[in-house]
Amino acid sequence: GNSVTQMEGPVTLSEEAFLTINCTYTATGYPSLFWYVQYPGEGLQLLLKATKADDKGSNKGFEATYRKETTSFHLEKGSVQVSDSAVYFCALSDGGATNKLIFGTGTLLAVQP
Amino acid sequence: DAGVTQSPTHLIKTRGQQVTLRCSPKSGHDTVSWYQQALGQGPQFIFQYYEEEERQRGNFPDRFSGHQFPNYSSELNVNALLLGDSALYLCASSLSRGFYGYTFGSGTRLTVV
Repeated sequence: GNSVTQMEGPVTLSEEAFLTINCTYTATGYPSLFWYVQYPGEGLQLLLKATKADDKGSNKGFEATYRKETTSFHLEKGSVQVSDSAVYFCALSDGGATNKLIFGTGTLLAVQP
Repeated sequence: DAGVTQSPTHLIKTRGQQVTLRCSPKSGHDTVSWYQQALGQGPQFIFQYYEEEERQRGNFPDRFSGHQFPNYSSELNVNALLLGDSALYLCASSLSRGFYGYTFGSGTRLTVV
């Protein structure tokens, strides 16, 4: 079945460091790919998405490129801030009648000043 | 523009009891999905409601049931609570036509003791 695998955390970085969180997926067909962010005590917020191969999603300095050949959707940011500390979830939607989301287990990012 | 509203925010129940969680979708959205997020895990799809009917169900037992009302709001019911049902329950709303992604609520934290 469809699945998402994320690098395990926690990831601890100093402010202004470069961030990469790896995400790979297994899916039949052509899923849409997403990154969601969850701040402490809150629900999920959509960070960025890509709906087809080679698409690049971007938002708030974060980027991820849909790589079909490597079935990957790695999240990157050039310079992290303390306010980026949160849990990041990679997810896919395989379309169909419900477009339900399948999530990875999440990666905790802690940014230190 | 109100987003997705969930109630209550926190709940403590005893094993064997029943619980009802409530969700009001984002204005203009007609579809409601429910997810269970266990501690340290990614959200898992429970089911989706559209036009007051369950459209798809994830791998959850029949103790989990739901309902959607004519105003598109929804309830999640869990019977015969188990300790393992302790989790954050997330409601997500979307449009049935032209899927543009989900808007998530902040969740209901259920603790079963």
